[in-house]
This record gives sequence, structure tokens and C-alpha cells, in this order.
Amino acid sequence: GNSVTQMEGPVTLSEEAFLTINCTYTATGYPSLFWYVQYPGEGLQLLLKATKADDKGSNKGFEATYRKETTSFHLEKGSVQVSDSAVYFCALSNAGNNRKLIWGLGTSLAVNP
Amino acid sequence: ETGVTQTPRHLVMGMTNKKSLKCEQHLGHNAMYWYKQSAKKPLELMFVYSLEERVENNSVPSRFSPECPNSSHLFLHLHTLQPEDSALYLCASSQDGLAGRGLETQYFGPGTRLLVL
Repeated sequence: GNSVTQMEGPVTLSEEAFLTINCTYTATGYPSLFWYVQYPGEGLQLLLKATKADDKGSNKGFEATYRKETTSFHLEKGSVQVSDSAVYFCALSNAGNNRKLIWGLGTSLAVNP
Repeated sequence: ETGVTQTPRHLVMGMTNKKSLKCEQHLGHNAMYWYKQSAKKPLELMFVYSLEERVENNSVPSRFSPECPNSSHLFLHLHTLQPEDSALYLCASSQDGLAGRGLETQYFGPGTRLLVL
């Protein structure tokens, strides 16, 4: 079946540190992969996505590359800011899922000044 | 970002009350979703509507009753809830592509924080 595994949090970093949040997936076929972010007190927002192998999604300084050989979609940012403090969710969508997004549990990130 | 709005933002209700959650999307999408977000659990998909027709009901108890009067509005009617139903209820919308493709991006509202006493 389809599943998403994210690294457990919370992750605590100092401002300007490098961020990696690991995400691996299990899926049949060729899923699309997503990172969503949830800021405190808000709903989820799409951060970036990739729809085929070797695609790189990027937004707001965040990047993630769709690696089919390692079934991974790790989220990275070179220099985090306090405003990046949020919960980050990895998700996949598969043609056979009929609109379902399969979600990871989320990784909480706290960035200290 | 006001593409998807939800009201109320917070709701406290007793187990015998009846209340409704409202969602409105201003993105011209044709599919809408209700999710339940509880602490330390994956996001749970509850209902999916596509072109105002319910296409998915993930074994949700009958005390939750969705309604989609048009492609822009989605309601979740609540009655005789239990304390374990306390959670953040999120609405989302998307533009449905080819049937069954499931690749479209979903856009979320801010959620309704529900507390059942």
C-alpha cells in the first residue's frame, strides 16, 4: 500500500542553521509528492511539490528533490529563520488513490533567535 | 491567503448540542474535503465531494453529516458528539483533474478548533 514516513520531531535549530527533514515513502507506480506547512493556529499550506522522479520542488528557500531510487523527498533549507517555526507534513498522492493524500505524522520545527 | 475560509474558528459544544461548521472556497475549484486533525495522529480524511456529489465517506460516524449545496460551500453538521471528537476540523478544496488521477493540489482553510464537553 501507500505510506509516508517522516522523521520524528520536535526539531530545534538556531537561526541561520541548515535544515533537513527526512521523508520516505512507499507507493506503487509514480506518485506525486508534497510538503505542506502548518503555522501556529493556522491550516495547512502547500509549500512545494514534485510530480515526477528527479523533479525539484522549491519555495521560500525550501527545496525537496523527488528521489525514486531511494523513495525519498527530504525537505531542506540552507538558513532557517524564526518565522519558519511550524509543523511540516510530507504527503503523497497516487493515481490509484482517487483524491486521497497520504500523510506523514508531521515534524515540528522550532527556530530560536 | 483567503482562498478557503472556515467559520467559526473556535467552537465549544456540549454532547447534546447541534452545530454546523461552514467552509467556503473562492478558488473556483470543483472538489471539497473535510479532514480531522488530532494530536499525534495522521490527518484523517472524512469526506470528499466532487462536483457537489459525495464521492468518499471514510467510515465516519453518523453524528457527522456533511452537506455540499454548491461547489463553493461545504458544511459539516454535528450532533450528539463525544469528547473524543474534539479536534481541529480542516476544510480543503482542489480542482479535480482527470477522474481518479488524484494528483491535484489541495488548498486548506484555517480550520475550526472544536471542543466537546
